[in-house]
This record gives sequence, structure tokens and C-alpha cells, in this order.
Amino acid sequence: GEDVEQSLFLSVREGDSSVINCTYTDSSSTYLYWYKQEPGAGLQLLTYIFSNMDMKQDQRLTVLLNKKDKHLSLRIADTQTGDSAIYFCAERLNRDDKIIFGKGTRLHILP
Amino acid sequence: NAGVTQTPKFQVLKTGQSMTLQCAQDMNHNSMYWYRQDPGMGLRLIYYSASEGTTDKGEVPNGYNVSRLNKREFSLRLESAAPSQTSVYFCASSEPVGGYTFGSGTRLTVV
Repeated sequence: GEDVEQSLFLSVREGDSSVINCTYTDSSSTYLYWYKQEPGAGLQLLTYIFSNMDMKQDQRLTVLLNKKDKHLSLRIADTQTGDSAIYFCAERLNRDDKIIFGKGTRLHILP
Repeated sequence: NAGVTQTPKFQVLKTGQSMTLQCAQDMNHNSMYWYRQDPGMGLRLIYYSASEGTTDKGEVPNGYNVSRLNKREFSLRLESAAPSQTSVYFCASSEPVGGYTFGSGTRLTVV
């Protein structure tokens, strides 16, 4: 079945870059997403990449897609305390348009 | 620009009580979803509705029912609440290209 895997925790010093990694299984996925969930809130769409792209940059965020290895990453440059959250990777399945979510990576910022 | 609105935000139920979680979106999206989020389990799909008048089971439908009342509204009903249904419930809506837009969640405790 479909599965999206990501590590559960990541600690990064303030000012450093954070890299959150994700692997997915469905090679026919159309879109891949990164969502951010702050404490007590719902999930917010951070960015997404179409499956025929290999990179997308948006201010401090860089998304890299390796379709051959089914690997997606999110890089946050100059990590700040406000980036502390849970980050969910997700893939949109081609066959039924459903989105499958990973379990989320909790990003902890060290002073 | 409300997006996806969920009510109530918090609820405490006794075992065996029933309740309906309400969800409404104002983005004219066709698809709507109900998820539950539990620690370490990520997001699990309970039910979804691809369009007005249709509903389908997700990964964890047991103990729940849904109604797609119209294009805007998608409600989730617990007929006889159990402690295992203590969770945070999220409603979401989407169009085919973009990701999901999530509500802010309902925190439900069943005692």
C-alpha cells in the first residue's frame, strides 16, 4: 500500500539550516506537499511541488524532489524559533486524488 | 475568508453519549475529509466525500457516520462515544490541484 515515511524528531540550532526528509512509495504521485502544524492548531500548507519538477524555492524554503529514489526534502534556511512545529510530508495519489500523510517530524529549535 | 470552520473547538463526552462535529467550507471545494490525529499515529482518514451526495470510508471509519449535507457542509457523528475516540478531529477540503485546507480542529475527550 501507499506509505509516506519521515523521521519523528529533528533538533536544530537557531540560525542553522533545517533539513527534513521524507520518502514515499507511489511513483505515480502527482503532487507532493509540506504542511506545518503549530501547537494547538490545524495543518497549514507550506509549499508543494509538482511531480515533474525537481526543485522549488520560496524565500527560506527549498523543496527538493528525487523522483527516482522517491525522496522529498524540505530545507529551512536560517531556522528561527517560529519554525518550531511539526512538519508533515504528503503525496497526492494519481489514481484517486487522495492525499497520504506521513506521521510528521517535530522540529525543535535549540538556542 | 473563513476557509474551513469546525465547531465545537472542545468537547467532553461521557461514554455512550452521541454528538455531531460540524464542518463548513466557503471555498466552493468539491472534496471534503474528516481525519483524526493521535500522538504517534499521524493523521488517519475517517471518511471523505468526493462531491456533494457521495461519501466513502477511509482508514478508520468504525464508530463514525458522516453526512454531506450540501457542497459546503460535511458533518461527523459519533453515535455512542467510546474512550478510544478521544482525539483531535480535523476537517479538510480540497480541489484537485491544490493541497488540503484544514480547519483548526476539535479536541474531543470521552470519559
